[in-house]
Amino acid sequence: GQQLNQSPQSMFIQEGEDVSMNCTSSSIFNTWLWYKQDPGEGPVLLIALYKAGELTSNGRLTAQFGITRKDSFLNISASIPSDVGIYFCAGQPLMNRDDKIIFGKGTRLHILP
Amino acid sequence: NAGVMQNPRHLVRRRGQEARLRCSPMKGHSHVYWYRQLPEEGLKFMVYLQKENIIDESGMPKERFSAEFPKEGPSILRIQQVVRGDSAAYFCASSPVGGGTDTQYFGPGTRLTVL
Repeated sequence: GQQLNQSPQSMFIQEGEDVSMNCTSSSIFNTWLWYKQDPGEGPVLLIALYKAGELTSNGRLTAQFGITRKDSFLNISASIPSDVGIYFCAGQPLMNRDDKIIFGKGTRLHILP
Repeated sequence: NAGVMQNPRHLVRRRGQEARLRCSPMKGHSHVYWYRQLPEEGLKFMVYLQKENIIDESGMPKERFSAEFPKEGPSILRIQQVVRGDSAAYFCASSPVGGGTDTQYFGPGTRLTVL
């Protein structure tokens, strides 16, 4: 089945640093989505991307839909303690007939004191 | 407007028992999706339901698992004769009619532990 490769698996950074994570797939996606999951909670949508090349921002977060439609990245600028959590890329493969979402395994963001 | 509600938040069962997980979608939403999350993993699609219909159950194990979304009441994910491997967090998401992937709102999840 379709798989998403998300990297890095974990990141340990200092407060104030910028963060970059990415996601690649073996097949073309219609839509790329980036979620954040806090401990004990469900994922919350951060950014949705719909077109190849699209670059979208949400506050300190910026995400791009890759030109090949097989990848996406998420950047977080000037990280703050509340950015800690798990970030998931997800998307809808081109061949999907319905709206089920395929998720990556997540990038775990830790901020060092 | 209340978000997606799931209960119980935590459920402990012994091997062989049944687990029933409930999901109440957001008001006005008639599509429900169930996902399973194992530790250190992303969410994996299980089943997609509309009121009284199963639209796609391609991600659901063929045995012991069933799901329903009746005309009235919450959606239920039922796991019969649970085994240790069923221990996971189960999330549901709901979306409105005509909504796309970006309109799925997730509940807080039910964490199932099988002893």
